[in-house]
Amino acid sequence: QKEVEQNSGPLSVPEGAIASLNCTYSDRGSQSFFWYRQYSGKSPELIMFIYSNGDKEDGRFTAQLNKASQYVSLLIRDSQPSDSATYLCAVNPNTDKLIFGTGTRLQVFP
Amino acid sequence: GAVVSQHPSWVICKSGTSVKIECRSLDFQATTMFWYRQFPKQSLMLMATSNEGSKATYEQGVEKDKFLINHASLTLSTLTVTSAHPEDSSFYICSARDWSSGGGADTDTQYFGPGTRLTVL
Repeated sequence: QKEVEQNSGPLSVPEGAIASLNCTYSDRGSQSFFWYRQYSGKSPELIMFIYSNGDKEDGRFTAQLNKASQYVSLLIRDSQPSDSATYLCAVNPNTDKLIFGTGTRLQVFP
Repeated sequence: GAVVSQHPSWVICKSGTSVKIECRSLDFQATTMFWYRQFPKQSLMLMATSNEGSKATYEQGVEKDKFLINHASLTLSTLTVTSAHPEDSSFYICSARDWSSGGGADTDTQYFGPGTRLTVL
């Protein structure tokens, strides 16, 4: 069974710090990887996707992918209280469906 | 770009009635849309994959006669919850596939609608 694992948290970081969110996946043939943010009571919104090994930066967000170790991470620099949300990792194992992790709850305190 | 809308955003209905939820891709064509359900403090659960012009593919355990899906055009999919009961009360979210470009390659990406909160009395 294809799986995506995330620590449920909460991950608590002070304002201005770097938040590091991790995700591992089981299907070695997976090609594309996504990070979504979901505020309480809202639907997920796409933060970024990555498909090549290495880092991909977009503003305060950096996605990191290591296919050999089967993990993908999301770094949030200069964390703000408004970043407090649940972060969902999703993996496309070369099907039309995404496999979602259960999400990591991030709390950024002032 | 890649905006997905849902209507209604919330609905309250009596037990035994049917409720239709619409999902639209506003600025792109989506041959494939997905319907998810999410209970409070729980993970997203994929209910079905909706393909334009063909029958939906339902996940194991999802009753296809209860959750009717129609994807009649490239920008619209509908989910009808038939004979709704209180246990069907949930947050229903659709997503639509679109191609995104980043770093020189295309990746098909799911964009989510804002969700529909269904309460069955």
